[in-house]
Amino acid sequence: QKEVEQNSGPLSVPEGAIASLNCTYSDRVSQSFFWYRQYSGKSPELIMSIYSNGDKEDGRFTAQLNKASQYVSLLIRDSQPSDSATYLCAVTGFQKLVFGTGTRLLVSP
Amino acid sequence: EPEVTQTPSHQVTQMGQEVILRCVPISNHLYFYWYRQILGQKVEFLVSFYNNEISEKSEIFDDQFSVERPDGSNFTLKIRSTKLEDSAMYFCASSEALLGGRNEKLFFGSGTQLSVL
Repeated sequence: QKEVEQNSGPLSVPEGAIASLNCTYSDRVSQSFFWYRQYSGKSPELIMSIYSNGDKEDGRFTAQLNKASQYVSLLIRDSQPSDSATYLCAVTGFQKLVFGTGTRLLVSP
Repeated sequence: EPEVTQTPSHQVTQMGQEVILRCVPISNHLYFYWYRQILGQKVEFLVSFYNNEISEKSEIFDDQFSVERPDGSNFTLKIRSTKLEDSAMYFCASSEALLGGRNEKLFFGSGTQLSVL
């Protein structure tokens, strides 16, 4: 069974701080890695994708991938209350994405 | 911006009844998926579909489930005889090409909340 593990949280950070979200995965052959944001009662919204080891930055978001350690992370700089949501890590399996349970992020004003 | 469209947004049904959930994937996408999310749980893969065939399915996707692309735009999920445990949010998704390749991404519709009473 291919697994994607995340701490369920909640992770609480003050407004303006850096939020750090982590994810580990078990399938060494996974090639693509994604972070989705999901607001309560809504569908997952793609915010970052990463395919190579290292960092990838997009605005306030930075995704980090370490395939040797089977570890993916997401940093959110200058966190805003509107960033409060559940962040889902997803990795490719055979013809599908496999999701973690998500980490709930709470950003307090 | 192109999006995946799902109807209805909410569906209430009696146990044992058949339901059909409908989706219109993004128009140039070739791969289609159904996922579900039971309240408070993870997003779970049900089935992937390509070239009018199921390409992968999970253990959840048993004989009570079926998928169909009845025309050039719609993609449907049918549950033949609903059970209480089928109550969940069902998400349709699509991708332009096979997941796992560079730059391939999965886009989700807004979901259908299915309640089985």
